[in-house]
Amino acid sequence: RKEVEQDPGPFNVPEGATVAFNCTYSNSASQSFFWYRQDCRKEPKLLMSVYSSGNEDGRFTAQLNRASQYISLLIRDSKLSDSATYLCVVNMWTSGTYKYIFGTGTRLKVLA
Amino acid sequence: DGGITQSPKYLFRKEGQNVTLSCEQNLNHDAMYWYRQDPGQGLRLIYYSQIVNDFQKGDIAEGYSVSREKKESFPLTVTSAQKNPTAFYLCASSELALMRVSSYNEQFFGPGTRLTVL
Repeated sequence: RKEVEQDPGPFNVPEGATVAFNCTYSNSASQSFFWYRQDCRKEPKLLMSVYSSGNEDGRFTAQLNRASQYISLLIRDSKLSDSATYLCVVNMWTSGTYKYIFGTGTRLKVLA
Repeated sequence: DGGITQSPKYLFRKEGQNVTLSCEQNLNHDAMYWYRQDPGQGLRLIYYSQIVNDFQKGDIAEGYSVSREKKESFPLTVTSAQKNPTAFYLCASSELALMRVSSYNEQFFGPGTRLTVL
């Protein structure tokens, strides 16, 4: 089982739709959680950190479920500019140290 | 403007040559990291450094070497021993060293270097 797993997609959605991605992680001792956005052939950019209480930033909402070991990202009112790959990142204790473990990403295409 | 710079953006190398990728940050971050990204795969950690003059191997360190002589700089050398070096290389930094990590210690990435071996 991979340490961090994401559905690769692609998710093709019309403009204005609401879309949700999940990401599961294997280590219950994981410490912190993030969503990054990566555009084609560019570097990942931090979208939002994911806090235990859940957090919202405009159209984006992130949730953490420690009991079931997953995090989620909800995007409301999708825009064409939201088309990108969304990476789930978990800071977890593995192989004797903390590491950032990256999912392979979920591709989102917002269609006009 | 604070940030992370990487150079060059594109690099072509002949088989058997060593090349060095530059990474500089002016964020005053303690920790720096090198990753490679291949199509359809997540980022994989090559090396990381939590403090000047110290660095540790990541998951795929074979065929690579690094140095951390200054806080701002963490160059990566791809040696001829790396069997499959063609990839997108990303440098990142975070404010705190991993072993001193507080709950949220985000990583920030440079723009990357695309290395192609001819």
